[in-house]
Amino acid sequence: AQSVAQPEDQVNVAEGNPLTVKCTYSVSGNPYLFWYVQYPNRGLQFLLKYITGDNLVKGSYGFEAEFNKSQTSFHLKKPSALVSDSALYFCAVRRGLNTGFQKLVFGTGTRLLVSP
Amino acid sequence: DAGVTQSPTHLIKTRGQHVTLRCSPISGHKSVSWYQQVLGQGPQFIFQYYEKEERGRGNFPDRFSARQFPNYSSELNVNALLLGDSALYLCASSFHGTDSSYEQYFGPGTRLTVT
Repeated sequence: AQSVAQPEDQVNVAEGNPLTVKCTYSVSGNPYLFWYVQYPNRGLQFLLKYITGDNLVKGSYGFEAEFNKSQTSFHLKKPSALVSDSALYFCAVRRGLNTGFQKLVFGTGTRLLVSP
Repeated sequence: DAGVTQSPTHLIKTRGQHVTLRCSPISGHKSVSWYQQVLGQGPQFIFQYYEKEERGRGNFPDRFSARQFPNYSSELNVNALLLGDSALYLCASSFHGTDSSYEQYFGPGTRLTVT
């Protein structure tokens, strides 16, 4: 069975500083990894994904994530945080098998609070 | 282009009642999945449909059912509602139903409150 851990319920960072939101995963075989963001009273918005290839993936709004197979981690990063980045961030995993089964397993979410 | 749309936005039901939630995927997307998000938790997978066939089912009771129509829209039905069914129900669509590398795009959700 797949699982995702987001060890921090909340991350606080000052605007302009770099931010990191942590994620570790467990899955049989190769993982497909995703980051989503959720604003209040909204659905989830796709940020980026790792499927294969370069361990550093770049996504929307200046976010990037680094895949580390040995540490089974997929941390989300941004060089300079904006107040508007304040939201709830979810890491998700699915098994890297091309079966067409698209079930995503999500972590419990990390609330990012960027102060002015 | 319109994103994933869901209706209704909010719904209040009484225990024991039945509810139907609706979802229209992004144009061209043929795969639809449903998730339940309870307050303070991540979304939990309920169903995936592709080309009108069920491709996967999560750990939910038989009170939950779904179907997909020829235009790829979908309905989620929940019978005999319990207080614990109160949640945000999210629909997600994906371009491909046979390639697991594709990301899913989520709708705004339907907030269901059971009293």
